[in-house]
Amino acid sequence: GQNIDQPTEMTATEGAIVQINCTYQTSGFNGLFWYQQHAGEAPTFLSYNVLDGLEEKGRFSSFLSRSKGYSYLLLKELQMKDSASYLCAVREGDYKLSFGAGTTVTVRA
Amino acid sequence: IAGITQAPTSQILAAGRRMTLRCTQDMRHNAMYWYRQDLGLGLRLIHYSNTAGTTGKGEVPDGYSVSRANTDDFPLTLASAVPSQTSVYFCASSDSTSGSDEQFFGPGTRLTVL
Repeated sequence: GQNIDQPTEMTATEGAIVQINCTYQTSGFNGLFWYQQHAGEAPTFLSYNVLDGLEEKGRFSSFLSRSKGYSYLLLKELQMKDSASYLCAVREGDYKLSFGAGTTVTVRA
Repeated sequence: IAGITQAPTSQILAAGRRMTLRCTQDMRHNAMYWYRQDLGLGLRLIHYSNTAGTTGKGEVPDGYSVSRANTDDFPLTLASAVPSQTSVYFCASSDSTSGSDEQFFGPGTRLTVL
């Protein structure tokens, strides 16, 4: 089974940087995903890490440390449209994902 | 159809009634999933299917059943709805042969059981 923890809420200013942490416990780690979900909409894929290190994709970066059971999602140059929930998900085995409860990020002008 | 669709968009249902939520994808993905999303609990897996003809139980399968007669369709049935099944239901699909096997989500069905 999975135990995935991430903060409930974070607030930041437009143009700033925010880091969303995710810790997990699993018996068969096979990848970590970050999804973005705007209110009333479906989750959309942001990033995937299976090896330790940093994956950068434009303004978003995701980091993984498998030995520590830890990941973070870094959002740079925040924009108002980045206000959303960010979901950390861990894959155990071949197909199934387990999701954290999500972190709601509010970007203020 | 482009991507993954769900029907209905929303539904209000009397307790005890039978209901089927529909999900169709046109990406030829082998794997499909049903999740429910409740405030404070995040997405929880109900059932999944690795390929047409096979299904498996997720974290919260009780009260739900699925079938996968073909690659494209993955309906979720509530045999006798109860108020605790009030939730937003998301269907998703993925290509497990791809490197990341990212899941693509449908727009969701908002279900209220009274």
